[in-house]
Amino acid sequence: KQEVTQIPAALSVPEGENLVLNCSFTDSAIYNLQWFRQDPGKGLTSLLLIQSSQREQTSGRLNASLDKSSGRSTLYIAASQPGDSATYLCAVIDSGYALNFGKGTSLLVTP
Amino acid sequence: KAGVTQTPRYLIKTRGQQVTLSCSPISGHRSVSWYQQTPGQGLQFLFEYFSETQRNKGNFPGRFSGRQFSNSRSEMNVSTLELGDSALYLCASSVGTGAMNTEAFFGQGTRLTVV
Repeated sequence: KQEVTQIPAALSVPEGENLVLNCSFTDSAIYNLQWFRQDPGKGLTSLLLIQSSQREQTSGRLNASLDKSSGRSTLYIAASQPGDSATYLCAVIDSGYALNFGKGTSLLVTP
Repeated sequence: KAGVTQTPRYLIKTRGQQVTLSCSPISGHRSVSWYQQTPGQGLQFLFEYFSETQRNKGNFPGRFSGRQFSNSRSEMNVSTLELGDSALYLCASSVGTGAMNTEAFFGQGTRLTVV
């Protein structure tokens, strides 16, 4: 059974800092890995999708990497802003068409 | 392009009642999946449908069921509601055909409160 772990569970940083969120998974037989953002009481917003054959994806200030063999992904956020405050979720999808989620990292960026 | 639409946004039900939630996927998406989100358990997979067929089901009791219509819209039903069913129910859609088309897009969710 796929287990997804996200570290740290919570993070507080001052505005302008670069930061890294970590995600690990136990079964490397994945199709893709997807990073999401969730604001309180809202749905999930897709940030980046990395297909299993890719090593990284970039979108604006976000960069996600994938090392499938070691079961790890990182999400790098450059020059953090207060608007980045949210919960960040990592999920892997396998042949069962189900997203397996980590518990998330709650990020607070202070002005 | 319209996103994933879930209705209703909020529901309050009494224990023992049943409830039906609806999800309209992004146009052209044939896969719809459902997730339950609670503070204690996080996001848990309920089931996934593709072209009206259930392809996978999570570890939930039989009180949780779903279906998908020919226009890809999906409904999930929870019968004999329990207090523990209080949660945010999220629906996601994707193209659904093959490993290259699994990017999931989520709706805003339905907040179900059972009293």
